[in-house]
Amino acid sequence: QKEVEQNSGPLSVPEGAIASLNCTYSDRGSQSFFWYRQYSGKSPELIMFIYSNGDKEDGRFTAQLNKASQYVSLLIRDSQPSDSATYLCAVKGNNDMRFGAGTRLTVKP
Amino acid sequence: DVKVTQSSRYLVKRTGEKVFLECVQDMDHENMFWYRQDPGLGLRLIYFSYDVKMKEKGDIPEGYSVSREKKERFSLILESASTNQTSMYLCASRRALGLVQYFGPGTRLTVT
Repeated sequence: QKEVEQNSGPLSVPEGAIASLNCTYSDRGSQSFFWYRQYSGKSPELIMFIYSNGDKEDGRFTAQLNKASQYVSLLIRDSQPSDSATYLCAVKGNNDMRFGAGTRLTVKP
Repeated sequence: DVKVTQSSRYLVKRTGEKVFLECVQDMDHENMFWYRQDPGLGLRLIYFSYDVKMKEKGDIPEGYSVSREKKERFSLILESASTNQTSMYLCASRRALGLVQYFGPGTRLTVT
């Protein structure tokens, strides 16, 4: 079982809709959770991160954690074509950071 | 503004060649990392370094070595390049007690 799993997609949503991205993790001791965005041919850039004690909203982005079920989600409200990218989930526990393979999101105008 | 740079964006090498990939960060970060990224496999950690002259194996160190002689520079060495090392290589850095990793632009290496 992979330590961090994501649906590879592609996930396609119309412009203006809510995009919902999910990630599951295996290490129950994980303490911090990250979402990176990676445009094609570019390096990952951090969107936001949350600790194990709560959710976080930043503009159109909301990261949510369900510790009992061991999954993290990223909601993107009012999706824009510029949000089209691969979204990487990363989890940090006692070991170093572990990345998922990413979900490719396409926002159609 | 944080900055991680990598020596080449694209590199083509022949099987058996020794390959050097360089990474430099200007943020005075203690920790530095080398990953490779392949479709469907995500980011896999090759080696990391917690400080100068220190190095630790990651998940896939075979066929690679690293060097960290100065704090700002972390080099990845492919001792004898093979075709299965064709990949995107990403360097990252982080403060010692920090959470956020900053990535360089990546080097797309092709071994023929």
